[in-house]
Amino acid sequence: AQKVTQAQTEISVVEKEDVTLDCVYETRDTTYYLFWYKQPPSGELVFLIRRNSFDEQNEISGRYSWNFQKSTSSFNFTITASQVVDSAVYFCALSEPNNAGNMLTFGGGTRLMVKP
Amino acid sequence: GAVVSQHPSWVICKSGTSVKIECRSLDFQATTMFWYRQFPKQSLMLMATSNEGSKATYEQGVEKDKFLINHASLTLSTLTVTSAHPEDSSFYICSASGETSGRDTDTQYFGPGTRLTVL
Repeated sequence: AQKVTQAQTEISVVEKEDVTLDCVYETRDTTYYLFWYKQPPSGELVFLIRRNSFDEQNEISGRYSWNFQKSTSSFNFTITASQVVDSAVYFCALSEPNNAGNMLTFGGGTRLMVKP
Repeated sequence: GAVVSQHPSWVICKSGTSVKIECRSLDFQATTMFWYRQFPKQSLMLMATSNEGSKATYEQGVEKDKFLINHASLTLSTLTVTSAHPEDSSFYICSASGETSGRDTDTQYFGPGTRLTVL
């Protein structure tokens, strides 16, 4: 069975600091997808990134970057020069394409608070 | 605009009444829709998965007679909470995945959620 662990339940930083959100996953499949979603106070989950298990290239999108390490089953998310608007709950999730409808397994979420 | 919409965004109802929540995919055909429930400061809990034109698959512990799901078209799924009680108060979120130009078919796109309060 698959499992996603986000060990950091809450992180508090001061604006302009860099912050890394950890995500560790467990799966028996060799083919899977990893995701990060952002949930701001409004409640809507915003899709940030999808990475498939065969693509270990790190990705950068503006101030966001993701580090996928299959050797340690981790998919960490770094925000550079954090801003107050980054304050939200961030969820890491895993799906296995063989599941009906690509069902997601979510981590417990990390609440990020960026203080001015 | 939003890829997936939900209506209503919030609802307050009396105990014993039924509430219907709609989930629509606005710019793609959602072959699969998912319904989640989220309690304060917790992660999302999958309630059920529905494929267009077929019966929903409910997760263990979710009462299918209480949470009626209909996925009658490729752009609309509804969740009806029947005979609602205060313990049903929660944040309900839908998501959709399917064929769409320019978007991953294996990615779930989420609606904005519906906050249900049962008095």
